[in-house]
Amino acid sequence: GAGVSQSPRYKVAKRGQDVALRCDPISGHVSLFWYQQALGQGPEFLTYFQNEAQLDKSGLPSDRFFAERPEGSVSTLKIQRTQQEDSAVYLCASSPIPQGYEQYFGPGTRLTVT
Amino acid sequence: GNSVTQMEGPVTLSEEAFLTINCTYTATGYPSLFWYVQYPGEGLQLLLKATKADDKGSNKGFEATYRKETTSFHLEKGSVQVSDSAVYFCALSESPEYGNKLVFGAGTILRVKS
Repeated sequence: GAGVSQSPRYKVAKRGQDVALRCDPISGHVSLFWYQQALGQGPEFLTYFQNEAQLDKSGLPSDRFFAERPEGSVSTLKIQRTQQEDSAVYLCASSPIPQGYEQYFGPGTRLTVT
Repeated sequence: GNSVTQMEGPVTLSEEAFLTINCTYTATGYPSLFWYVQYPGEGLQLLLKATKADDKGSNKGFEATYRKETTSFHLEKGSVQVSDSAVYFCALSESPEYGNKLVFGAGTILRVKS
């Protein structure tokens, strides 16, 4: 079946622009996670949804980062007034159970801020 | 906080050589442990997992044993192939209260030469 998809795959933004990154989880998956992966590093947790509820946003690095999942399926990660340090790959993962025990990752969106 | 440390790469091996990638962790409580693999141009894939002490996870010829006494989860394979060339990430999952978000190591690049 279809896996987790993310769009766009690549995004170049000028510093100060707003960007929106989309994640389509596997159909029926309850849990959804966003991670940020800097070059040469492992992914770092940003935020977690169980259905439409955002239960943990402790990893969001600043108030410029905002995520939503209004209908409990597709999620959008929005970054306002992008900075160069926001350049990274943004990964989305979904899981079929509430505690997200096994996570299925999308291919990621590579964001470059110039 | 919880953390994962894995050996630095790149690790370069000849085909059919024995592989070990070391991983140690720091955690409160009893996390579950994972190895994820990222092939060139692809997303993260779960390779294997272990949920409690002395459990052995295995898949595709790879193995790792959850060692609570040494807080380790080393990845091993008896005979590597060129197709095993990838980046390998060790990870732990934190409390289910927080959706079992994953904490990753920095990743180890494996290169296998024919």
